Amino acid sequence: DVKVTQSSRYLVKRTGEKVFLECVQDMDHENMFWYRQDPGLGLRLIYFSYDVKMKEKGDIPEGYSVSREKKERFSLILESASTNQTSMYLCASSRDRESNEQFFGPGTRLTVL
Amino acid sequence: AQKITQTQPGMFVQEKEAVTLDCTYDTSDPSYGLFWYKQPSSGEMIFLIYQGSYDQQNATEGRYSLNFQKARKSANLVISASQLGDSAMYFCAMRGFSGGYNKLIFGAGTRLAVHP
Repeated sequence: DVKVTQSSRYLVKRTGEKVFLECVQDMDHENMFWYRQDPGLGLRLIYFSYDVKMKEKGDIPEGYSVSREKKERFSLILESASTNQTSMYLCASSRDRESNEQFFGPGTRLTVL
Repeated sequence: AQKITQTQPGMFVQEKEAVTLDCTYDTSDPSYGLFWYKQPSSGEMIFLIYQGSYDQQNATEGRYSLNFQKARKSANLVISASQLGDSAMYFCAMRGFSGGYNKLIFGAGTRLAVHP
């Protein structure tokens, strides 16, 4: 089974802190994605990556950056956390560009105070 | 622009009955895919079913079926014989092609509650 893990289930940070959210997948998938989920808005794509050291902006990249130094790991970085970044963050991976299915991690619920 | 609309914020169903969750989409791509995901209270997104835009038959996976009406741009999820464990958030999503890449675009979700 594909497994996507995220470093924390719950995280509480203060405004202005630098925050790292880590995601690891164990099935040698090429593609990885970061979403945020907010009530009434569904999931919105922040950034995605189709290869190591490659990244593309999603629909809401402002305030975020990403890093993919190794194929299995995709990190989401909040350079200076703000209260409007309080949300559920979901990481996903898929085999390649032609794959239909994305496999999701358990999510990280981030609260910025 | 590509868009997914789920108009039902919440739905209730009696155990063992069938329920339909609505999803409409908007796209100008000739080729696209439609997905349904389930998100229980644990938070993890679980893939349920997929329908390709050129598939002739409606997709089915166990108790899940997708009522695909291309002309109406709708892709409703039908859950037969509801179980208590079906209580969850359900998201409809579309694979769209934008900026040179395939992306998933999600609806706002429908919260389903199954009553005994």
